[in-house]
Amino acid sequence: DADVTQTPRNRITKTGKRIMLECSQTKGHDRMYWYRQDPGLGLRLIYYSFDVKDINKGEISDGYSVSRQAQAKFSLSLESAIPNQTALYFCATSETGSLGGEQFFGPGTRLTVL
Amino acid sequence: QKEVEQDPGPLSVPEGAIVSLNCTYSNSAFQYFMWYRQYSRKGPELLMYTYSSGNKEDGRFTAQVDKSSKYISLFIRDSQPSDSATYLCAMRHTGNQFYFGTGTSLTVIP
Repeated sequence: DADVTQTPRNRITKTGKRIMLECSQTKGHDRMYWYRQDPGLGLRLIYYSFDVKDINKGEISDGYSVSRQAQAKFSLSLESAIPNQTALYFCATSETGSLGGEQFFGPGTRLTVL
Repeated sequence: QKEVEQDPGPLSVPEGAIVSLNCTYSNSAFQYFMWYRQYSRKGPELLMYTYSSGNKEDGRFTAQVDKSSKYISLFIRDSQPSDSATYLCAMRHTGNQFYFGTGTSLTVIP
């Protein structure tokens, strides 16, 4: 079984709809991250969490919110989706205290907002 | 100016060639440098990690960091078709955020 899983893998929705992307991990890591990936822009950090009670905004948090329901679960919500949120979304985890903080990525969710 | 600059390619080489992938950066506080490989429709996976300046070798892969020039490289020797992927550089200072390049698309032709 994969260490970092994301659901759904693909989603098509309409402008204005509320969307939730879910991430679960079995690696036992405290740190979890949400990124979006766009052609020509690379990976950009949306939110990150270092433990259940810790939530931090990343580079591009506007229009997004997150919830850390448990150590193993980190959800990303789009309250009112818009077309420029069409992207590939990745969840990642890393271990507290590791020197470089290697990140382990999930398989991604491809989101299309019409 | 972006924190990390990476030529997006695409790069196409024959099998067996030596491949050189590069990134430049602007923040002199970066200390941790990583290369990730991303196959189509997959998440990135860590390929190489180096701390501070110097070289690190792992099989056919060599990562090189030149902090004085703010320049990092990944060399792939004897490239194989299975190396065809997008390669992302990433870096971090003592803070909590990772900074990624945009990725270089590599195709190794049999």
